Amino acid sequence: EIVLTQSPGTLSLSPGERATLSCRASQSVSSSLLAWYQQKPGQPPRLLMYGASNRATGIPDRFSGSVSGTDFTLIISRLEPEDFAVYYCQQYGNSLLFGQGTRLENK
Amino acid sequence: QVQLVQSGAEVKRPGASVKVSCKISGYTFSAYEVNWVRQAPGQGLEWMGWMIPKTGNTGSPQKFQGRVTMTRNSSISTAYMELSSLRSEDTAVYYCARGVRDHYHYYMDVWGKGTTVTVSS
Repeated sequence: EIVLTQSPGTLSLSPGERATLSCRASQSVSSSLLAWYQQKPGQPPRLLMYGASNRATGIPDRFSGSVSGTDFTLIISRLEPEDFAVYYCQQYGNSLLFGQGTRLENK
Repeated sequence: QVQLVQSGAEVKRPGASVKVSCKISGYTFSAYEVNWVRQAPGQGLEWMGWMIPKTGNTGSPQKFQGRVTMTRNSSISTAYMELSSLRSEDTAVYYCARGVRDHYHYYMDVWGKGTTVTVSS
C-alpha cells in the first residue's frame, strides 16, 4: 500500500518568502495522478495543482509543482498573506490517498 | 456556476446510520464522478469512496467497505453517502467533491462546503 509522507509538518515563514513543501511516495506513483490542495480553516479543500505541475483554474503563477522520482514538491515563490493554510498532496492509483498535510503558518 | 450543495449537520447516536446528500448543479450530473472525503476534528483528509453517476458503480477503500453506501438520484442530480454502524470516531466533516478523470489525470476540482456529523450518546 502506497503511503504519502508530507514534510515538514509545519512550516513557519513570512510573507514574501519562498515556501517549499514536500510529498514523498513510498513507491512509484504516476506524476500525472498527483494533485495538491490548499485548505483554510472552516473551508473545504481547494484544488491547486494536478498532474504534479499543472495549475488549476485561477491559481496564481507563484504556485508551482515539480517531481523527481517519488518526491513531489509544491513551491510558493513569494508568500502572500492568503497563502497561509494547510496543504495536502493526493494521489490516485488503485485507491485514492492523501498525505497527512503540511501547515504553513505566518511567522 | 458549478455547485455541490450538501445537506445540513447531523447528530447521531452510536450504532445509528447517517445519510448525507450532495446536490449537483452547473454541469451534467452523469459526466463526472462524485467522491466522498471526510475530515475528523483537527485531522487530515480521508477518502471514503467514489461513485460513477452514469452507472451507479462505486468504489471505496477496504476500511469503509460494508459500512458505506453511495447512491444517486439522477432525476434530481443528487448523490448520497450513507454510513452505518456509527461510532464516535466517525465524528467529522463529510465532503462531496467532483472527480475529474481525463486521459492522464485524476483530481477533485469542486467541493461541497461539508456536512458536520456528530456521533454522541
